[in-house]
Amino acid sequence: DSGVTQTPKHLITATGQRVTLRCSPRSGDLSVYWYQQSLDQGLQFLIQYYNGEERAKGNILERFSAQQFPDLHSELNLSSLELGDSALYFCASSEQGSSYNSPLHFGNGTRLTVT
Amino acid sequence: GNSVTQMEGPVTLSEEAFLTINCTYTATGYPSLFWYVQYPGEGLQLLLKATKADDKGSNKGFEATYRKETTSFHLEKGSVQVSDSAVYFCALTYNNDMRFGAGTRLTVKP
Repeated sequence: DSGVTQTPKHLITATGQRVTLRCSPRSGDLSVYWYQQSLDQGLQFLIQYYNGEERAKGNILERFSAQQFPDLHSELNLSSLELGDSALYFCASSEQGSSYNSPLHFGNGTRLTVT
Repeated sequence: GNSVTQMEGPVTLSEEAFLTINCTYTATGYPSLFWYVQYPGEGLQLLLKATKADDKGSNKGFEATYRKETTSFHLEKGSVQVSDSAVYFCALTYNNDMRFGAGTRLTVKP
């Protein structure tokens, strides 16, 4: 058990809809990362937050947004959903703001299916 | 930019066979290198890491050595088990830029 909790485990929704994915980091970890894993794109980094502030941005679409709250949990909001957004979305946390010597601890992911 | 290239899978081995999964990297500086493993239905777990040249990371019988001269971090295990069946990801991080390889699926047959 990594200590990172993601909810829900599965989400099925229709195109055009909006969903929110939630992540609780491991106790003591200040950084939260969001990744998208799809069969054709592999593991894509979306965004990182550190202690409530955005730290780094990857290949995140404008239709997607995220935030980290004072209690350090994070939410990833996906809107105007398209079929191609169907994927596994992982949250990971780490102790520090830099991943240089602070490995990531991954949750079990949220599987999003857009129909 | 920074990137990781790992051998394409899938890899299928018999139990007790020797495993090598190749990983090479490109980085503008001296990154930290990692191997993560993903078991079915789970998130990625850190398997081992190395933070500087010639460091050897090891865990659960797996090893990888940080080779600066060949920019490589190949994963090896002397005798695989059925329980090692998973997807293995090589990764690097430099200046808080973390990159993952595409993953290599390993299947070990009894």
